[in-house]
Amino acid sequence: ETGVTQSPTHLIKTRGQQVTLRCSSQSGHNTVSWYQQALGQGPQFIFQYYREEENGRGNFPPRFSGLQFPNYSSELNVNALELDDSALYLCASSLEGNGYTFGSGTRLTVV
Amino acid sequence: RKEVEQDPGPFNVPEGATVAFNCTYSNSASQSFFWYRQDCRKEPKLLMSVYSSGNEDGRFTAQLNRASQYISLLIRDSKLSDSATYLCVVNYGGSQGNLIFGKGTKLSVKP
Repeated sequence: ETGVTQSPTHLIKTRGQQVTLRCSSQSGHNTVSWYQQALGQGPQFIFQYYREEENGRGNFPPRFSGLQFPNYSSELNVNALELDDSALYLCASSLEGNGYTFGSGTRLTVV
Repeated sequence: RKEVEQDPGPFNVPEGATVAFNCTYSNSASQSFFWYRQDCRKEPKLLMSVYSSGNEDGRFTAQLNRASQYISLLIRDSKLSDSATYLCVVNYGGSQGNLIFGKGTKLSVKP
């Protein structure tokens, strides 16, 4: 049974650029959630995808968007990057919202 | 008021000490409760679920008081390897549920 894998592990982008982060869910899981964790803070919920549709969203602007594919993998896209978007982005998969498994995250630095 | 609030840290304790973490949550609709552990620059990992009846896992004891909307974690006989950030987490439940994290409390166990 493979766990949750995220890519890339680290990324440096310039303010105003766009970024795509990727997540492969754990085998058998159909729900993917994305979280943003700024330094010294707890993870903050961005949104969740269930069976390829957005199924809940936190307090993040529309420039944060996502996709879920038929194999339940997912992408997080962020447009018009701002310095405050620098954070660890975590993906978590689950089966029907039960028993979350986290990936090791993508550390994004915006300069 | 934040949805999940935790004791401010850091907690610096000697090996063998007993340490207690407290957490309160604001939404009475919360259905599931957890403690996660996060090591430096790593992803959060589930430490234990928390039930109203209280539950114990070795040196770790978790308690939930729904009436007071209060969660606790007790660590007995602290080990150096317990050094980490402990995150209090609630979930509204169901397939649309998502995890709401506290800011975390950092624990450092010293020799």
